Amino acid sequence: SQTIHQWPATLVQPVGSPLSLECTVEGTSNPNLYWYRQAAGRGLQLLFYSVGIGQISSEVPQNLSASRPQDRQFILSSKKLLLSDSGFYLCAWTGQFGNTIYFGEGSWLTVV
Amino acid sequence: AQSVSQHNHHVILSEAASLELGCNYSYGGTVNLFWYVQYPGQHLQLLLKYFSGDPLVKGIKGFEAEFIKSKFSFNLRKPSVQWSDTAEYFCAVNGDNDMRFGAGTRLTVKP
Repeated sequence: SQTIHQWPATLVQPVGSPLSLECTVEGTSNPNLYWYRQAAGRGLQLLFYSVGIGQISSEVPQNLSASRPQDRQFILSSKKLLLSDSGFYLCAWTGQFGNTIYFGEGSWLTVV
Repeated sequence: AQSVSQHNHHVILSEAASLELGCNYSYGGTVNLFWYVQYPGQHLQLLLKYFSGDPLVKGIKGFEAEFIKSKFSFNLRKPSVQWSDTAEYFCAVNGDNDMRFGAGTRLTVKP
């Protein structure tokens, strides 16, 4: 069966520090991968999605970036965090035909 | 890029009342449509989904949704809500591999 792992679960980082959130999917190949941020009253904001290795579509202007170095690995990064980057980040995957989406457990990021 | 709109930010109903939550999307091509529910302190759960076929889709817990292509809508309904339906509801649309969610509708059911 397919599983999705996301880590770390909780992170407290100072302003200006770097960020790396990692996500891996097991039990499937060539998934579509997603990074979302969930904020109260704003639903799930799509940050990045990827349909293949090295293929990243960005939805937001950033100091955030994403990379897909391997088929089932998706990384969310920042060189310098802002206070406004605080939030709950979710990694997710779907099959190639865009069917049901499966979420990781999420990562709580607090920038102080 | 496509977008997803949920009309109601917060809906308050009494038990046994009927529910309809609106969802509209902007995308001209073929879409897959979803409704998810998030109970307080929990992760998102899939309520129902539409890929093709009968535009009236039945999901779990007595929920259903109707896809009206001409209106670009996928409204969620339940004939009689219960206190346990208190949660946040998210519509989602996948049109070009970019799965997008609406801002959510918070439903409060009063006993």
